[in-house]
Amino acid sequence: QKEVEQDPGPLSVPEGAIVSLNCTYSNSAFQYFMWYRQYSRKGPELLMYTYSSGNKEDGRFTAQVDKSSKYISLFIRDSQPSDSATYLCAMSDIIQGAQKLVFGQGTRLTINP
Amino acid sequence: NAGVTQTPKFQVLKTGQSMTLQCAQDMNHNSMYWYRQDPGMGLRLIYYSASEGTTDKGEVPNGYNVSRLNKREFSLRLESAAPSQTSVYFCASRLAGGVQYFGPGTRLTVT
Repeated sequence: QKEVEQDPGPLSVPEGAIVSLNCTYSNSAFQYFMWYRQYSRKGPELLMYTYSSGNKEDGRFTAQVDKSSKYISLFIRDSQPSDSATYLCAMSDIIQGAQKLVFGQGTRLTINP
Repeated sequence: NAGVTQTPKFQVLKTGQSMTLQCAQDMNHNSMYWYRQDPGMGLRLIYYSASEGTTDKGEVPNGYNVSRLNKREFSLRLESAAPSQTSVYFCASRLAGGVQYFGPGTRLTVT
């Protein structure tokens, strides 16, 4: 079993819809949770960064972490065609000096105009 | 600020050939990382360097070597390329306590 599981999709929704992306994990030592967005043939770029449990909101994006269920989510409100990309969840435990990220498989999202 | 740069962008190798992928960052970051990305597998850590002068294995180190040349540069070497090493390779860097920033990637095909 993979340490981090993410539904690879693909997921296709109409413009304006609310999108929910999710990951589950098995390592209870994970403390740092991230969502990266990756456009085709580009490097991943950080979208959201959360420490421990709780919610974090940034514009149309909300990240949620439920450590008791080992489950994290990313919500996109009022989705736009420019949000079409692959979304990768990533997580790590507390490491001095270096941060060894463990990634999910990525979910390919398409927003249709 | 160029951020994280990688060279080359594309490369085709024959089985058994060697090559070095170059990575440089201009953000004065302490730690640097090499990942590979394969379809359906997400990104997997190959090697990392917590600070200048140190390197450690990640999840999939076999067939690779690394050098942290100085604080800015971290190279990945394939001594004898195999078709299983066909992948997209990403370098990343991080300031202590911060997040990882990724380069644009190198697409490698081994025939």
